[in-house]
Order: sequence, then structure tokens, then C-alpha cells
Amino acid sequence: GDSVTQTEGLVTLTEGLPVMLNCTYQSTYSPFLFWYVQHLNEAPKLLLKSFTDNKRPEHQGFHATLHKSSSSFHLQKSSAQLSDSALYYCALTHQGTGSKLSFGKGAKLTVSP
Amino acid sequence: AQTIHQWPVAEIKAVGSPLSLGCTIKGKSSPNLYWYWQATGGTLQQLFYSITVGQVESVVQLNLSASRPKDDQFILSTEKLLLSHSGFYLCAWSFWGSAETLYFGSGTRLTVL
Repeated sequence: GDSVTQTEGLVTLTEGLPVMLNCTYQSTYSPFLFWYVQHLNEAPKLLLKSFTDNKRPEHQGFHATLHKSSSSFHLQKSSAQLSDSALYYCALTHQGTGSKLSFGKGAKLTVSP
Repeated sequence: AQTIHQWPVAEIKAVGSPLSLGCTIKGKSSPNLYWYWQATGGTLQQLFYSITVGQVESVVQLNLSASRPKDDQFILSTEKLLLSHSGFYLCAWSFWGSAETLYFGSGTRLTVL
């Protein structure tokens, strides 16, 4: 079956330092990978999703590259901002399933001044 | 543009009382619909999904049930709440051609006392 393993628990950074949240996966079929971000008391929102043509998706300074050879989709940002403090979930699904999105356990990123 | 509306925003209920949560999606016909649950400090757990009216698949029941009485409506309910039902309930939708991206509603915060 599908599974996602990501950086989990609390991640504390100082503003301006780089962000790196790891995500690796196991999947029988060719997957779509996602990063969702959830700010306090809000619903999760899509941050990034993988492309089938190996383009690197970018949004709000975050980027992630799908590496099929290492089954990874790590989230990166060169310089953390206070507003990046949130919960981050890596998730996986397959094209055409329409039914199952497997989420990692989530990482709570706290950026301090 | 598609909109998703969840109700109520928050509920405080007694153990053993009934519950009904709902969501409505406008602007998209035949969406895939989902219910997710998030315990305080926990990850996102998929509860149910529905691909079409009248059909609901259970992923994890947690003594809850779901129904899809209309194409644009998804209901989560139980006749008897447990303390363990407390948490954040999220309705979400996706559609064929969205590369399985999930779009979440704003959620319902449930406290069972």
C-alpha cells in the first residue's frame, strides 16, 4: 500500500534560515505528491504538488522536487519568514483514484525572530 | 468559481447526544467528496469519501456515518457522541482533472463534554 513518511513533530527555526522538511514515500504506482499547509485554526491549503514532467513546483518561495529514484519530495525554502509558521503535511495519491490521499503525520514549523 | 461551505463552524455537545455536520459544494458538478478528522495536535485522518450521489465509502468509521443525499451535499452524523469524537472535522472535494488535488472547507470545531 501507499505510505508517506515526513519530518514530524516540532521544527523550530530562526527567521532567515533555510527550511527543509523531508518527505519520502512508498507507492506501488506512479504517484502524485503534495505539500499542504495549515495555519492555526484554519483548514489545510495546497502549497505545492508534483508535476508529471519533472518540473519543480514553486509557491510562496517554497519548492519541492520529486525524485523517483529516492522516492522523495522534500520541501525547501531558502529563507524562513515568521508567516511560514504552520503545520505542513506531505501527501500522496495516484492519478485516477479519486478516493484516497495518504497524509504524513505533519510537521509543526515555528519561525522565531 | 467553486465554493465549499461547511456548517456549523463550531459545536459544543454532550456525550451521548446526536450530531450532524454538513457541507455544500457549489460551482462544480459531480465532485468527489471527503470527510477528514483531525484530533487536537493530530494528523489528518480520512473518514469517508463519495464519488457519486447515494454512494459513500468508509475508510475509518469511528462510530460515525456519512451520507450524500444530493450531488453537492455531504453529511456526517452520529446518534451518540463519544468524548473521542472531539476534534476538527473537514469536508473536502476534488474532481477528475484536478490531479487529485483536495480543496478543503473551513472546518467544524467539535468539542464533546
